[in-house]
Amino acid sequence: QVQLQESGPGLVKPSETLSLTCTVSTGSFSGYFWSWIRQPAGKGLEWIGRIYASGSTTYNPSLKSRVTMSIDTSENQFSLRLSSVTAADTAVYYCARELYGGNCDGWGQGTLVTVSS
Amino acid sequence: QSALTQPASVSGSPGQSITISCTGTSSDVGDYNYVSWYQQHPGKAPKLMIYDVSNRPSGVSNRFSGSKSGNTASLTISGLQAEDEADYYCSSYTASSTVLFGGGTKLTVL
Repeated sequence: QVQLQESGPGLVKPSETLSLTCTVSTGSFSGYFWSWIRQPAGKGLEWIGRIYASGSTTYNPSLKSRVTMSIDTSENQFSLRLSSVTAADTAVYYCARELYGGNCDGWGQGTLVTVSS
Repeated sequence: QSALTQPASVSGSPGQSITISCTGTSSDVGDYNYVSWYQQHPGKAPKLMIYDVSNRPSGVSNRFSGSKSGNTASLTISGLQAEDEADYYCSSYTASSTVLFGGGTKLTVL
């Protein structure tokens, strides 16, 4: 059973960059896709994007201009950077293991990121 | 990309069956057998309940089943139990190689 844990600042100022890291334990890291998904309070899930162990990425077109994902296979970690944040980016951010076809079979517990000055 | 369409809420009594629909387009649900369903209890992370339209991960009750017809996928929960009360989300792989979620459905067990 894969285990994932998000970490990063819970408060980010408007116009700055949100940075989160997901640490994966238990199981293979290579050979899978690794994704970020967010959920504003009281709202639905939004897929942000994925990164493969090779470093190849696919992003949500609506966020593509602001998103960068990276991966460190030696540390079993992958990261999200979202630039020029606004209050609309306030959400619980989840990292997840994504299988081919978009099925996410393992999720972190989620971390709340608030954008506020 | 617009979210997949789900009813905002459904309800049922214990023991009954309910079905939640998830409507997309020919560029996502209609074109790929990669529809997933997630259960989310308040304050918790989503849990994968159905993948690839109709497959259940190990450990998920066989009371949960999935199907698809055209651009619409469905999740059916039979023998409704109090613990099934939660939010349910569908998702689909898309022609752009991205993932699209539905808006979510709140299931109330009466």
